[in-house]
Amino acid sequence: QKEVEQNSGPLSVPEGAIASLNCTYSDRGSQSFFWYRQYSGKSPELIMSIYSNGDKEDGRFTAQLNKASQYVSLLIRDSQPSDSATYLCAGYSSASKIIFGSGTRLSIRP
Amino acid sequence: KAGVTQTPRYLIKTRGQQVTLSCSPISGHRSVSWYQQTPGQGLQFLFEYFSETQRNKGNFPGRFSGRQFSNSRSEMNVSTLELGDSALYLCASRGQFSGANVLTFGAGSRLTVL
Repeated sequence: QKEVEQNSGPLSVPEGAIASLNCTYSDRGSQSFFWYRQYSGKSPELIMSIYSNGDKEDGRFTAQLNKASQYVSLLIRDSQPSDSATYLCAGYSSASKIIFGSGTRLSIRP
Repeated sequence: KAGVTQTPRYLIKTRGQQVTLSCSPISGHRSVSWYQQTPGQGLQFLFEYFSETQRNKGNFPGRFSGRQFSNSRSEMNVSTLELGDSALYLCASRGQFSGANVLTFGAGSRLTVL
């Protein structure tokens, strides 16, 4: 079992809709979680970090963490074509490593 | 602040050769992590260095090694290159952001092994 798992997609969402990206993790000792966005040919860039149960909002992005279910999600409201990218979920494990999922490819269709 | 700088950006090697990649972290950051990214495996953790000491290591063979210098610059070395080592090698500098340890990535070094 991978430490951080994501559906590889592609996930296709119409412009203006809400995109929902999900991630599960196996290490119960993981404390912090991150969402990175990676455009094709570019390196990952941080969108949000979250370490408390519940929701954290930043503009059009909302990260959700449920430690009991070992589940992290990212919601993107009012999706734009510029949101088309691969989204990487990462967790700060109990071994003090930041482990990434394999990423979900998101496509926003006009 | 300048970002994370990786050199070289692109390189082509042949099987059996060795390669050294360099990374300069964000000024003031003492932690440098290395990742290998391939289409099939995603981002795989190689190792992390902090204050010249390897703090963590991923599940890669001994052909992959690294080091960190007193100015926090880091190098990684891959010896006896194999075709499967073709990948994007990403270096990341770790620092505090909004109360969490966050990685900031460099542009990467794309290695092609022929």
